[in-house]
Amino acid sequence: EAQVTQNPRYLITVTGKKLTVTCSQNMNHEYMSWYRQDPGLGLRQIYYSMNVEVTDKGDVPEGYKVSRKEKRNFPLILESPSPNQTSLYFCASSSRTTTGEQYFGPGTRLTVT
Amino acid sequence: KNEVEQSPQNLTAQEGEFITINCSYSVGISALHWLQQHPGGGIVSLFMLSSGKKKHGRLIATINIQEKHSSLHITASHPRDSAVYICAATPLGTSGSRLTFGEGTQLTVNP
Repeated sequence: EAQVTQNPRYLITVTGKKLTVTCSQNMNHEYMSWYRQDPGLGLRQIYYSMNVEVTDKGDVPEGYKVSRKEKRNFPLILESPSPNQTSLYFCASSSRTTTGEQYFGPGTRLTVT
Repeated sequence: KNEVEQSPQNLTAQEGEFITINCSYSVGISALHWLQQHPGGGIVSLFMLSSGKKKHGRLIATINIQEKHSSLHITASHPRDSAVYICAATPLGTSGSRLTFGEGTQLTVNP
């Protein structure tokens, strides 16, 4: 089954404790992205990747890091989380060569206290 | 001002009504996406458009490149269509993974 998986689905952590949210897709997609969704602000892109080792900043990259060492994985790293990073996070992937349909992961709800 | 704007923000309809959600954008784009977010939070892609019109079941999406405007229509609406509908654009000159989003339209269809 074609899918994007994210782990963990729920995470409560404390300010300053480094964390990684993993994202993996099994569709051999070139494009992958991370988004955050906040009430009243909608979805905003954090980082995106066009292929292995090719990443770029989205609209709200501050406080986040990403890496794309393998085509299927695109982890999101919060080196020193702060309460303003409490949010719902989505990973997504799409193909460069086909319809461009976006495939979203199920979301990760992060709370930073 | 957001580069992508949707209207209305909230929409309530009776079952069977024809529904239109609008999306306007202020920059040149290479693609326009319509997404649906279910009450449980999951997001699915409905359409990707670069020109013209697409139809899938009771859903129709249109885009007018000159007017920088897209619409999502739902015919014979049903309570299961209740969801948040989001448009997103890929600006010209960026890769297909770059998206800028509208605020979303909360649709409620009453039986």
